[in-house]
Amino acid sequence: EAGVVQSPRYKIIEKKQPVAFWCNPISGHNTLYWYLQNLGQGPELLIRYENEEAVDDSQLPKDRFSAERLKGVDSTLKIQPAELGDSAVYLCASSSNRGTMDTQYFGPGTRLTVL
Amino acid sequence: AQSVSQHNHHVILSEAASLELGCNYSYGGTVNLFWYVQYPGQHLQLLLKYFSGDPLVKGIKGFEAEFIKSKFSFNLRKPSVQWSDTAEYFCAVGPSGGYNKLIFGAGTRLAVHP
Repeated sequence: EAGVVQSPRYKIIEKKQPVAFWCNPISGHNTLYWYLQNLGQGPELLIRYENEEAVDDSQLPKDRFSAERLKGVDSTLKIQPAELGDSAVYLCASSSNRGTMDTQYFGPGTRLTVL
Repeated sequence: AQSVSQHNHHVILSEAASLELGCNYSYGGTVNLFWYVQYPGQHLQLLLKYFSGDPLVKGIKGFEAEFIKSKFSFNLRKPSVQWSDTAEYFCAVGPSGGYNKLIFGAGTRLAVHP
């Protein structure tokens, strides 16, 4: 079974530029998460999807961040414009929709560097 | 406020030494608890989890963790570490009965020397 796929793995951009990250969850997983991991910290949830619905985006900085999961499978996280402080690893995770006791499976992450 | 505290940011051990990584949490209500591991160059993987029942949980690769409710702790242990255990370890807590919104600790970086 393929795991969570993310691309790109690395991205270097200049500040004020836009950037997008893509995630393909494990097949059959209805729940998709985007996390932010700063250096020396644990992951922090940005947004959670149940199918195509964003059910928890309370931690997403909506002035510059946006996300979509149009068909309830793949998801894209966008930053526009990027700031220096956005340099971090962006993780995608997925879990099956079998209630609350679901293990989250993580992708390899996208390491963003904003210059 | 909900939080997870991992006491040791860096741990260095020799092979065959015993390991205990501390994890304390602050969270209202009953909880689910997790340890994730990230080996160098790899993604986060689940090591073990506690939902209910026996507070001593056994995971993969000889790891175990004990949930002590009175101490709000979920420490990770392994009796004899190997060089291949070199990794970063993250403790996480989520609500029992709610969806799996995880709060992660800052991680403990373990280096095992041959």
